[in-house]
Amino acid sequence: QSVLTQPPSASGTPGQRVTISCSGSSSNIGSNTVDWYQHLPGTAPKLLIYRSNQRPSGVPDRFSGSKSGTSASLAISGLQSEDEADYYCAAWDDSLNGWVFGGGTKLTVL
Amino acid sequence: EVQLVESGGGLIQPGGSLRLSCAASGFTVSGNYMSWVRQAPGKGLEWVSIIYSGGSTYYADSVKGRFTISRDNSKNTLYLQMNSLRVEDTAVYYCARVVKEVDIENYNYYYMDVWGKGTTVTVPS
Repeated sequence: QSVLTQPPSASGTPGQRVTISCSGSSSNIGSNTVDWYQHLPGTAPKLLIYRSNQRPSGVPDRFSGSKSGTSASLAISGLQSEDEADYYCAAWDDSLNGWVFGGGTKLTVL
Repeated sequence: EVQLVESGGGLIQPGGSLRLSCAASGFTVSGNYMSWVRQAPGKGLEWVSIIYSGGSTYYADSVKGRFTISRDNSKNTLYLQMNSLRVEDTAVYYCARVVKEVDIENYNYYYMDVWGKGTTVTVPS
């Protein structure tokens, strides 16, 4: 069982806006920022959002992140077929000197 | 081009040992924090270990005492020595470069910006 809680699945139609939630506690999300990764099986995970709401260069502005208290969310607007993937949230844990992850959300574009 | 390539995975009996390698290009392993993350079949991502640029190392409780992270600066390569392997260690293992940022209030932020494609370790039951 993962430390951070994500819905196992989400879906939307092309052009729609979808959000994926990530819930944690005061020791992880409540104390640190959240990162989001996009992962397709057999490929390298890709950093989508870091420090809760920052986008690396090359990531479309359709992807946005936010954090409030012990929860965070990833929003994808203008959904495209290539967005179909697994999405993971992660937060640094000071007691581990490492990260805790969510269980992942499988996004389906209908 | 910044790139990470893992190797060394395979089929290993319970109790056995295996060493994974992660060859870096486009940057130096020694000048960065580096990490290992794994994904068991049908499961999510799980952080395994990190090595700081200064050499400090940390591990997830699930592998502490059995796994050792290290690096060879001359080969620009990161390693994960895995001993006393268990069935539950079966996973795809990814290495990742870690970015550490410090803000004006001296608060540290860590995130993994470059990942490899992974190498598969199978420990059969």
